[in-house]
Amino acid sequence: GQQVMQIPQYQHVQEGEDFTTYCNSSTTLSNIQWYKQRPGGHPVFLIQLVKSGEVKKQKRLTFQFGEAKKNSSLHITATQTTDVGTYFCAVGGSSNTGKLIFGQGTTLQVKP
Amino acid sequence: ETGVTQTPRHLVMGMTNKKSLKCEQHLGHNAMYWYKQSAKKPLELMFVYNFKEQTENNSVPSRFSPECPNSSHLFLHLHTLQPEDSALYLCASSQELGLAGNTIYFGEGSWLTVV
Repeated sequence: GQQVMQIPQYQHVQEGEDFTTYCNSSTTLSNIQWYKQRPGGHPVFLIQLVKSGEVKKQKRLTFQFGEAKKNSSLHITATQTTDVGTYFCAVGGSSNTGKLIFGQGTTLQVKP
Repeated sequence: ETGVTQTPRHLVMGMTNKKSLKCEQHLGHNAMYWYKQSAKKPLELMFVYNFKEQTENNSVPSRFSPECPNSSHLFLHLHTLQPEDSALYLCASSQELGLAGNTIYFGEGSWLTVV
C-alpha cells in the first residue's frame, strides 16, 4: 500500500535556527498535505500542495512540492518556541479514495 | 473548537470492561474516521465511514467495534481490550471520500488507558 517516509524523526534546534523536515514517496502523488500537532494536542491542517514544483508560504513556514511530485519539504525560518510540536505529511491512499496516509512525523524541540 | 467533539477525553478501563468512545462533528461532513496514535507508531488509520457506510477496516482486532448511525456521529465500542491498546484515539472528519485534497479535521482525542 501507499507509504510515505518522513525524516528526520526528531530535531532539536536553538531558537532562531532554521528547521526542515522532508517527506518522500516511492510513487507519484496527486497531492500532499501537512499537519502540525502540538504537545498534548491533536493534528491540525496546515496546507495542501497540488502542483509540481509548487511553493507556498505561511509567515516563517515554506512548503515545497517536488518537481516529480514524489517528495515534499517543510522549512521553518528562525524557529520560535511556539513552533514546538510534531509535523506530519499526509498523502492520499493508493486506491485514490481520498483517504489519507500519514508519515511518521518529525518532532521539533526548540531551546529558548 | 475544532468542529469535531470527542468524549470522554480520558478513559481508564479494565481489560474486562465494555466502554464506548463518542465522536460528533458539526462541519456538515460525510466522511468520518478513527485513528489510533501511540507513542512509538505513526497515526494509524483504523476505520473509515463515508455516508454512514464503512469503507475501510484496516485489519483492526474485533475487540474494537465501530458504529456510525449517521454522518455526524461515530462511536468506537471497546471490549476486552489489552494494555497495549492504551493510546490516543482520534476521531476525524472530512467532506467526503473520493474528493481530491480531502482535508482531515481532527477532534481533540480520547486518551485511553487499559489496566
